[in-house]
Amino acid sequence: GQNIDQPTEMTATEGAIVQINCTYQTSGFNGLFWYQQHAGEAPTFLSYNVLDGLEEKGRFSSFLSRSKGYSYLLLKELQMKDSASYLCAAVMEYGNKLVFGAGTILRVKS
Amino acid sequence: ETGVTQTPRHLVMGMTNKKSLKCEQHLGHNAMYWYKQSAKKPLELMFVYSLEERVENNSVPSRFSPECPNSSHLFLHLHTLQPEDSALYLCASSHQGTSGANVLTFGAGSRLTVL
Repeated sequence: GQNIDQPTEMTATEGAIVQINCTYQTSGFNGLFWYQQHAGEAPTFLSYNVLDGLEEKGRFSSFLSRSKGYSYLLLKELQMKDSASYLCAAVMEYGNKLVFGAGTILRVKS
Repeated sequence: ETGVTQTPRHLVMGMTNKKSLKCEQHLGHNAMYWYKQSAKKPLELMFVYSLEERVENNSVPSRFSPECPNSSHLFLHLHTLQPEDSALYLCASSHQGTSGANVLTFGAGSRLTVL
């Protein structure tokens, strides 16, 4: 079957580092996306990993381990504007078949 | 604006009404999608159109009827909906090529409430 698991909610402090985990079980895996969605807004693309390892993009980094069916999104130097829902999505096969997790609501407190 | 525009942003309708959601993209993409987003649930893929041809229909009830008249426009026609259909309906587009990531660009969504 297809299953994407990520924590429902997380809270972190401004300036800190937070790691949002995502585990997946899908068939024909071909990469993993992370999207950010602020309340009432469109999800926006953050990162895509297809090979094992860490991809760094400014304050955000994303990691993938295909053998473990595991990914994480790392957010450094947290800012209040990082409060949002973070969606993990696995590509089931080449093309347009994305399976989404339910999202992790991150609350950044001062 | 994200390049994908959805209207209306909010819609309240009765179970006997007929309404339509509209999506428009100005990104030159060749694929368009409808997703349903309910609270605390994963995004559910409803329909996919590639080059204006429907290529995916995820067992969606017939009370939802998509239409893609051209590569820039996508509609979701609604009729005799149920209260459990209340959700955020997201439109997305992408450029499907022969290689690389198929990154979706989403609209802000249409918040539907069925009374």
